Amino acid sequence: GIQVEQSPPDLILQEGANSTLRCNFSDSVNNLQWFHQNPWGQLINLFYIPSGTKQNGRLSATTVATERYSLLYISSSQTTDSGVYFCAVEYNFNKFYFGSGTKLNVKP
Amino acid sequence: DAGVIQSPRHEVTEMGQEVTLRCKPISGHDYLFWYRQTMMRGLELLIYFNNNVPIDDSGMPEDRFSAKMPNASFSTLKIQPSEPRDSAVYFCASRRLAGRETGELFFGEGSRLTVL
Repeated sequence: GIQVEQSPPDLILQEGANSTLRCNFSDSVNNLQWFHQNPWGQLINLFYIPSGTKQNGRLSATTVATERYSLLYISSSQTTDSGVYFCAVEYNFNKFYFGSGTKLNVKP
Repeated sequence: DAGVIQSPRHEVTEMGQEVTLRCKPISGHDYLFWYRQTMMRGLELLIYFNNNVPIDDSGMPEDRFSAKMPNASFSTLKIQPSEPRDSAVYFCASRRLAGRETGELFFGEGSRLTVL
């Protein structure tokens, strides 16, 4: 199967700080998504980004498929950004493999 | 459009009881997925359907688990009999691959199951 590794596993930020989360995958993939699991357990779509760069407000993401990694940038972090960020790759058709996540805690 | 809707949000039951979890996918989505999330194993795919037909159930842990999709707007995941090790959050997700859709995966809010 495919290995999906996320780093760092844990991250503590002061409100207003910037951060970069990384997702490495061990083989070519068809699709890649970033999710935010908030403290209530909801999985919220952030980006569908098999390649290239996208931005949505304070968040942006870049996937370099040929080098098998994706980055999620969070700027001017807020306490509401706290939670776990997951990267998920579609390796086999309809089989999404999730990383173990980056747990982010933004302190006021 | 409403998102993926799951019920119940929380279920507490005793070992040996039957548990039924329900899901309504996003209207127009042709794929439906059941996932399970635990601390030890993370998010795991249990089964997925295409146009109401089960396609891959290789992730279903054992015969105590069954899933059905009688129509395009409803699916159930049943555990009978339930065991404490089934305690987890069960997520339903859907996507649309027909036409020019990107196939983005959307999740429901999950059903947190506790088996005592």
